[in-house]
Amino acid sequence: TQLLEQSPQFLSIQEGENLTVYCNSSSVFSSLQWYRQEPGEGPVLLVTVVTGGEVKKLKRLTFQFGDARKDSSLHITAAQPGDTGLYLCAGASYGGATNKLIFGTGTLLAVQP
Amino acid sequence: ETGVTQTPRHLVMGMTNKKSLKCEQHLGHNAMYWYKQSAKKPLELMFVYSLEERVENNSVPSRFSPECPNSSHLFLHLHTLQPEDSALYLCASSHGRHWNTEAFFGQGTRLTVV
Repeated sequence: TQLLEQSPQFLSIQEGENLTVYCNSSSVFSSLQWYRQEPGEGPVLLVTVVTGGEVKKLKRLTFQFGDARKDSSLHITAAQPGDTGLYLCAGASYGGATNKLIFGTGTLLAVQP
Repeated sequence: ETGVTQTPRHLVMGMTNKKSLKCEQHLGHNAMYWYKQSAKKPLELMFVYSLEERVENNSVPSRFSPECPNSSHLFLHLHTLQPEDSALYLCASSHGRHWNTEAFFGQGTRLTVV
């Protein structure tokens, strides 16, 4: 069974602080996606990383895919209250007729003004 | 506007009721998915439809019955549910069955079984 563990599970920080969220697995994924979900809404895709070691930046967010494509991290610089939400990583698993997205356990981030 | 619309947004039903959840997308995607999101659990993939054919059923109890009449519509028929089935049910769509492409989610249906 493929599992994606995220840490930390909960994070409450002050505006302006930096933070890193980790997504770890013992399985190799073809690609990895990060989503943010706000209360009462569905997840919204932030980024997809495909190549081992790949780094992508989205304004104050930096995403990295591990060299072995088993793990990923999300770093937020100078967090803002608007960054508050549930962050989900998801690994893409290809395999015949059962291509699917395995979601991580989630990290709930609260940024206090 | 995410492009994927789910109705109703909220649903309260008794254990003996029959209800249906609806999902609609006009993004030209040909794959649609049902996910279950419970508190303190990862998103659970329930069903996958590709070109209106069910390609995955993740050991979901038969009290959940999906239907995909065309590539734009997906239903989840519910009957004789249990209180533990209370959760947020999310629909998603994408191009094909390859997850390198972006998955668009609906806003979900918050289901409460009493």
